[in-house]
Amino acid sequence: AQSVTQLGSHVSVSEGALVLLRCNYSSSVPPYLFWYVQYPNQGLQLLLKYTSAATLVKGINGFEAEFKKSETSFHLTKPSAHMSDAAEYFCAVTAPSYYGGSQGNLIFGKGTKLSVKP
Amino acid sequence: KAGVTQTPRYLIKTRGQQVTLSCSPISGHRSVSWYQQTPGQGLQFLFEYFSETQRNKGNFPGRFSGRQFSNSRSEMNVSTLELGDSALYLCASSLRTGGAEAFFGQGTRLTVV
Repeated sequence: AQSVTQLGSHVSVSEGALVLLRCNYSSSVPPYLFWYVQYPNQGLQLLLKYTSAATLVKGINGFEAEFKKSETSFHLTKPSAHMSDAAEYFCAVTAPSYYGGSQGNLIFGKGTKLSVKP
Repeated sequence: KAGVTQTPRYLIKTRGQQVTLSCSPISGHRSVSWYQQTPGQGLQFLFEYFSETQRNKGNFPGRFSGRQFSNSRSEMNVSTLELGDSALYLCASSLRTGGAEAFFGQGTRLTVV
């Protein structure tokens, strides 16, 4: 079955430090991959997406992610953390369709809460 | 361009009652999906509608149902509420189905007492 694994339910970094949030997926077909961010009591905001074009994807707020097929990974990084980055981050993959391609729904990882220390 | 609008934002219901949640997608988007978010289970897919047809359904009991109208607005209904239905219900809209990026509303926080 399709799945997404996010390593580390909580990650803490100092302001200005590198942010690395890990995501591994399983997929029987070429996937679409997404990273979303959620602030408390809010919906999900799309950070970036991979849709089989460039393997290094740049998103909003200085985040980027690299698709590595050999490692089935799509880790999220940001060179320098800011206090406003403190939130929960979700990696998601589209579910495969029985007829090939992808279905419309997303399968999410359990999320990683990022804390940023001053 | 207005984003995805979910109403109401907060709801408190009693066990056994039923509830209807509403979602207005981004103008021009024809796909609407619903997700349930709980601390224990995380984000789980409920169902997807595209052009008024249910395209896909997650693993939830029949108490959970939905529909989509001709203007793409969608509603989801939960009958015979249980305490475990307390959750944040998120609606997402997409231009099309099958991998298009999804834009989420702020959600409806349902509390069942």
